[in-house]
Amino acid sequence: AQSVTQLGSHVSVSEGALVLLRCNYSSSVPPYLFWYVQYPNQGLQLLLKYTSAATLVKGINGFEAEFKKSETSFHLTKPSAHMSDAAEYFCAAYSGNTPLVFGKGTRLSVIA
Amino acid sequence: GAGVSQSPRYKVTKRGQDVALRCDPISGHVSLYWYRQALGQGPEFLTYFNYEAQQDKSGLPNDRFSAERPEGSISTLTIQRTEQRDSAMYRCASSFAQGAEQFFGPGTRLTVL
Repeated sequence: AQSVTQLGSHVSVSEGALVLLRCNYSSSVPPYLFWYVQYPNQGLQLLLKYTSAATLVKGINGFEAEFKKSETSFHLTKPSAHMSDAAEYFCAAYSGNTPLVFGKGTRLSVIA
Repeated sequence: GAGVSQSPRYKVTKRGQDVALRCDPISGHVSLYWYRQALGQGPEFLTYFNYEAQQDKSGLPNDRFSAERPEGSISTLTIQRTEQRDSAMYRCASSFAQGAEQFFGPGTRLTVL
């Protein structure tokens, strides 16, 4: 069965520093991959998605993620963190008719 | 509607009571999904519908949980004889087609005392 692993339940960065949130998937067949962001008291919002086109995917709010088949990874990055990026981030995978499978999430804190 | 809506946003109930959680998807969206999210965890799939047909209910934890979408629009997730372990955030999402981007509602926070 598909599984998604997010390394680090909590990541803390300084404002202006690089953001790197890690995600690895388990499927031998590359799935569709997603990053969602959850702000307090709000629903999940799609940041970006990989659907077997370009391996470097650009999303909203300056985020991007690179699909690396050899590493079964889909890490999320942003060159310069902003205070408004503080939220919880979820990586998710979908393969054909299987349900969308989420990782446990990573809480990002941004320090002024 | 403009987005996926869920009601109630918060529900506190006593153990043994039945609860019904409502999801109103984006107008025209074919697929509707239910997830449960425990504290500190990611959302876990419960069940989904295409139109009014329930396609997969493999994620429902036991037979106390059921869902319906009788007219292919609004869906209700019902939990009978609630237990404390049912306490969680219940999230609904919809997509214009199966496999397309899912749009999530704000969730219903269920607390069973």
